[in-house]
Amino acid sequence: EPEVTQTPSHQVTQMGQEVILRCVPISNHLYFYWYRQILGQKVEFLVSFYNNEISEKSEIFDDQFSVERPDGSNFTLKIRSTKLEDSAMYFCASLTQGDGYTFGSGTRLTVV
Amino acid sequence: AQTVTQSQPEMSVQEAETVTLSCTYDTSESDYYLFWYKQPPSRQMILVIRQEAYKQQNATENRFSVNFQKAAKSFSLKISDSQLGDAAMYFCAYRAGRSGGGADGLTFGKGTHLIIQP
Repeated sequence: EPEVTQTPSHQVTQMGQEVILRCVPISNHLYFYWYRQILGQKVEFLVSFYNNEISEKSEIFDDQFSVERPDGSNFTLKIRSTKLEDSAMYFCASLTQGDGYTFGSGTRLTVV
Repeated sequence: AQTVTQSQPEMSVQEAETVTLSCTYDTSESDYYLFWYKQPPSRQMILVIRQEAYKQQNATENRFSVNFQKAAKSFSLKISDSQLGDAAMYFCAYRAGRSGGGADGLTFGKGTHLIIQP
């Protein structure tokens, strides 16, 4: 069964550093997403991406965040200057019409 | 804004018994999708079942079924013959279906922690 692949599985970074989280969505999917889950809390939508541009973004997705699809397969989330409160699980997901979302296994980001 | 409410932070059920997890939502849309996701300790998000709002028939997927009450804005998940592997966090989620696209993200509830007692 096709999978959404996320790397790394765990990233530790110092406060103020830039971090890039990587995702390889399912190849024939059209929509791509990033979600965040702070430990013990619910999953929150960050951004959706379609046709090489942002479709929707939440209030969480401020100027510190950016997304990119640099080639035909990778989909990245960049956090420019990490803060302690950015520590969370970050999930990538993809969707094609008629299907449910498929989530990756997540990247655990720890900001120290 | 849409909201999803899961009023049961934790539920416990004996193995092989049936359990129902509650979910209510609030929306002004007429076209939308509802989902149940399972999150085991590995924290992977696994789709359990999906319901399109325009379909009156309740979705089923093996031991998992939903009771979708559109007028009441209720979307409960029933797990029959509970197994130890069903132990996980269960999240109810909503997505608007406007314009037929997938631009809108999912809105999640806070989750229900399901414990299976052997």
